[in-house]
Amino acid sequence: KNEVEQSPQNLTAQEGEFITINCSYSVGISALHWLQQHPGGGIVSLFMLSSGKKKHGRLIATINIQEKHSSLHITASHPRDSAVYICAVHRGGSQGNLIFGKGTKLSVKP
Amino acid sequence: GAVVSQHPSRVICKSGTSVKIECRSLDFQATTMFWYRQFPKQSLMLMATSNEGSKATYEQGVEKDKFLINHASLTLSTLTVTSAHPEDSSFYICSARDYGGAADTQYFGPGTRLTVL
Repeated sequence: KNEVEQSPQNLTAQEGEFITINCSYSVGISALHWLQQHPGGGIVSLFMLSSGKKKHGRLIATINIQEKHSSLHITASHPRDSAVYICAVHRGGSQGNLIFGKGTKLSVKP
Repeated sequence: GAVVSQHPSRVICKSGTSVKIECRSLDFQATTMFWYRQFPKQSLMLMATSNEGSKATYEQGVEKDKFLINHASLTLSTLTVTSAHPEDSSFYICSARDYGGAADTQYFGPGTRLTVL
């Protein structure tokens, strides 16, 4: 079993829909990242959070440390949101390497 | 926010040649940088952790003599793929830890797509 599990693997939505992507992890962490990867490959860090909730524009990320679960929400989705969304957890410590989920491929249709 | 650059963004080379990829933190000092590799439709896999002024720490299964990492300054790490072969074709991404920030702050470079013919 992977240490970081994302669901769904693929998601197709109509423009304007509210989208939720889930991430569950099985290890102790100090922080969790949500990353966005567009077809060209470049990765953008959307959020880093260790508790509670963060909001940036139409994106909202939440984390429940006790339940080892995080969600990424996109409100009023748009075709330009189409990308792969990756959850990555940070085990902490001096090295700080991340463990990545396999990603959720989102396609938003106009 | 902090910016990490990579150069080149794309490289095509012949089998047997060596390729150097640079990773720079543009507005912060990074004592630690990470090199990842991503094959098509796969998640990112950590290859090695690069520490300024010391030897890199390689993940299991990554050949240190093939993937040479140098972290000579607080803003630059380089990955050299030596004697590249077609199976080394992949997307290579670096990230950098902000020396002045929280331990968990990492910023990603845009990636380098390597194609070995």
